Parts: sequence; C-alpha cells; structure tokens
Amino acid sequence: QKEVEQNSGPLSVPEGAIASLNCTYSDRVSQSFFWYRQYSGKSPELIMSIYSNGDKEDGRFTAQLNKASQYVSLLIRDSQPSDSATYLCAVRYEGGGNKLTFGTGTQLKVEL
Amino acid sequence: DAGVTQSPTHLIKTRGQHVTLRCSPISGHKSVSWYQQVLGQGPQFIFQYYEKEERGRGNFPDRFSARQFPNYSSELNVNALLLGDSALYLCASSQAPGGGEQYFGPGTRLTVT
Repeated sequence: QKEVEQNSGPLSVPEGAIASLNCTYSDRVSQSFFWYRQYSGKSPELIMSIYSNGDKEDGRFTAQLNKASQYVSLLIRDSQPSDSATYLCAVRYEGGGNKLTFGTGTQLKVEL
Repeated sequence: DAGVTQSPTHLIKTRGQHVTLRCSPISGHKSVSWYQQVLGQGPQFIFQYYEKEERGRGNFPDRFSARQFPNYSSELNVNALLLGDSALYLCASSQAPGGGEQYFGPGTRLTVT
C-alpha cells in the first residue's frame, strides 16, 4: 500500500514568517511530486511540481525533494493571511499512469 | 483560457438513485482523471481516461463507471447511491497520460440522503 503522510496541523505561523510543510512517502519507486493548495469549500489548486532531487523555487514558494529520505517539503516565505489553507502533498508513482496519491493535507493558519 | 469545467456544482440525491457528473478538460488536454474527496481527507483516485480509453482504475466498486467522448469531455456515473458516496467529486485535466501536471476543476458536491 503506497502511502503519503502529512501532519494534519493546524500549523500556525505569524504573518511574514516562513511556513514549512512536510510530506513523507512510502515507496521509492516514485516519479513526481506535487503540492496543491485547497481553500475551504474549494477544489485543489496546483502550486508546485518537483521531479528531481534538490530545490525548486517559484516566487515565495520553494519545494524541496530528497528521494533517498523519501521526503518532500514546501516552504512559504513571507507568509500572508491569504496563504491560510490546507496544503496537499501528492505523489505519482512509476507505472501508475496519471494516478496521484494524496496525503490528508496540512492546515496552515497565518496569523496577523 | 478556460480551465477545467464541471457540472453540476451541487447535487442532492436519494439512496439507491443514479447520478451522472460531467467534466470538460482544458483545451488541448486529452487526459481526464476523476477523484473523490470526502471531508478531511485527500482526494482518492477513481479513474483515468486518455483518448477515450480507460488507463487506470482506483479501488472503487463497480457501481462507479466513466467514459470519455471524442471531444475529450468525460462523464462519471455512480449507480445505487449510498450515503457514503457523499463527497466532492473532482475532475483533473492533463496533457499526457502518464506525466505532467494535473489541474482540477471546481468539483461537484454530491450529497446522498
């Protein structure tokens, strides 16, 4: 059973701080990793994808992948109240077509 | 450019009834995947279709079926509805069958009473 695990939170950070969201996955035969943001009552929105070890930066967001440790993280710099949402980690495994396996999500609260 | 569209937005059905949900992918995208998301959980994969062919099926009962049309739009059908089928049903669109990013539509909120 391939699994993706996230701390459900809530993770509370003050406005302007760095939010660090973590995700571990169970199978080494994994190809691609994605972070989605989901506001309450809305559908998931893709914010980052990462395919190889290392860091990938896009604006205030940085995704970090360490395949040896089976660990992927998302850093949000200069956190804003509008970043308050649930962040879903998703993994696509080799041979799985387009199937994404999701974690349960981490709720982030950015406080004024 | 228009994103993924889904209809209807909300739906209330009674146990035992049948439901059809519809999805139109992003223009130029040929692959559609369906997911079910219950409250407090991440989305669960139901089906993937590419070029009208089923390319993947998740761990859902045979009451769930889907198809894709020549214009790449898709339908998800659920028969003999159960209370546990109440969820947000998401359609995701991607260009290729086994790679690249997937973009979700707004979802259909199904309530079974």
